[in-house]
Amino acid sequence: DIQLTQSPSFLSASVGDRVTITCRASQGIDSYVAWFQQKPGKAPNLLIYAASTLQSGVPSRFSGSGSGTEFTLTISSLQPEDFATYYCQQLNTFPLTFGGGTKVEIK
Amino acid sequence: QVQLVQSGAEVKKPGASVKVSCKTSGYTFTSYYIHWVRQAPGQGLEWMGIIDPSGGSTSYAQKSQDRVTLTRDTSTSTVYMELTSLRSEDTAVYFCARRMGNGYFDHWGQGTLVTVSS
Repeated sequence: DIQLTQSPSFLSASVGDRVTITCRASQGIDSYVAWFQQKPGKAPNLLIYAASTLQSGVPSRFSGSGSGTEFTLTISSLQPEDFATYYCQQLNTFPLTFGGGTKVEIK
Repeated sequence: QVQLVQSGAEVKKPGASVKVSCKTSGYTFTSYYIHWVRQAPGQGLEWMGIIDPSGGSTSYAQKSQDRVTLTRDTSTSTVYMELTSLRSEDTAVYFCARRMGNGYFDHWGQGTLVTVSS
């Protein structure tokens, strides 16, 4: 199975900060990566797919980049509604796998 | 609008089975695959399997493929996930999610909490 390692697992930041989350794959997965935001008690919400394509309706402060084995999710200016847990996912190979998550909390 | 509405919370004893439904609406049911993902309390996301609502073909994660069965009812646009021989470690929220044409998950159900406890 392809392992996805997210870092950091926990991040404390302030409103307005630029935030970057990294996702590393145990083997090359081209650009078949998605990023999700999840808030407590809710289903995940798709932010980015194909590593860098912004899902319809998602604010432009979210962006994604990378290919192969290293990927990043960037929030250019953190807003109050962005405090949540973020997951990467690979769709290159079955079984589909997710990263362990990055919890973004208010400093 | 696209909606995936799941059945309510379940409490089961170890060794029992559970069947969770995911009723879809707002799109052509047979045109989009459905995935199932679960999340244990305080933990991350785990992919369980996928079903093609058109022909009913399935693919499962090896971890639980001997205990999971995905089925569909085209007359009601509903997908089902049945998990047998339940263990305490199966306690989790179970989600269904629609696969977009490009393979990514665009719409999710609200989740169903399954609690396994004696």
